[in-house]
Amino acid sequence: NAGVTQTPKFQVLKTGQSMTLQCAQDMNHNSMYWYRQDPGMGLRLIYYSASEGTTDKGEVPNGYNVSRLNKREFSLRLESAAPSQTSVYFCASSEVGTGREQYFGPGTRLTVT
Amino acid sequence: TQLLEQSPQFLSIQEGENLTVYCNSSSVFSSLQWYRQEPGEGPVLLVTVVTGGEVKKLKRLTFQFGDARKDSSLHITAAQPGDTGLYLCAGIQGAQKLVFGQGTRLTINP
Repeated sequence: NAGVTQTPKFQVLKTGQSMTLQCAQDMNHNSMYWYRQDPGMGLRLIYYSASEGTTDKGEVPNGYNVSRLNKREFSLRLESAAPSQTSVYFCASSEVGTGREQYFGPGTRLTVT
Repeated sequence: TQLLEQSPQFLSIQEGENLTVYCNSSSVFSSLQWYRQEPGEGPVLLVTVVTGGEVKKLKRLTFQFGDARKDSSLHITAAQPGDTGLYLCAGIQGAQKLVFGQGTRLTINP
């Protein structure tokens, strides 16, 4: 049982380049999330998808787009990367409902030069 | 401005000592979670507290939710090197959105 998987694990981009971070879960969860983690900031929600076919902005959505491809997959796209987007990105999934545990992937470490 | 403030941000103590980590907010949360994160991995849930004043124990870890549901604490008794990690509190707003504190990096020295 793989849980939540993310690809790639590491990525280096030049300013202005684009890329898509992939996330998949095999737990049949309805809800999926994208977070970024920066030193001293904890995790901040970028976008989330409460169920297949819906997406909503989180705390820091600027510069990102998302696609809920199907129930399993939720991708995060950077259209024109900026150094401020250097961070560790985590995908998570959960059952629907308040207080449900979120299961996190191993993260993608992105550096934008 | 961080909605959830954790203190201390860094803590380094000797094996066998006790410690408390605090998570404070001016906002009320429907429930609060504590996660632990190891280097190179995603956070893993330790506990969810739901009721004001609730106390939950997980072996040597004791979690408390404040009466007003604005704050929480994590107390570790007789800390061990295996307790080393980043501890994150997260308040639940709305249906499912989590708001995280900035984390407490705990180091237990043998």
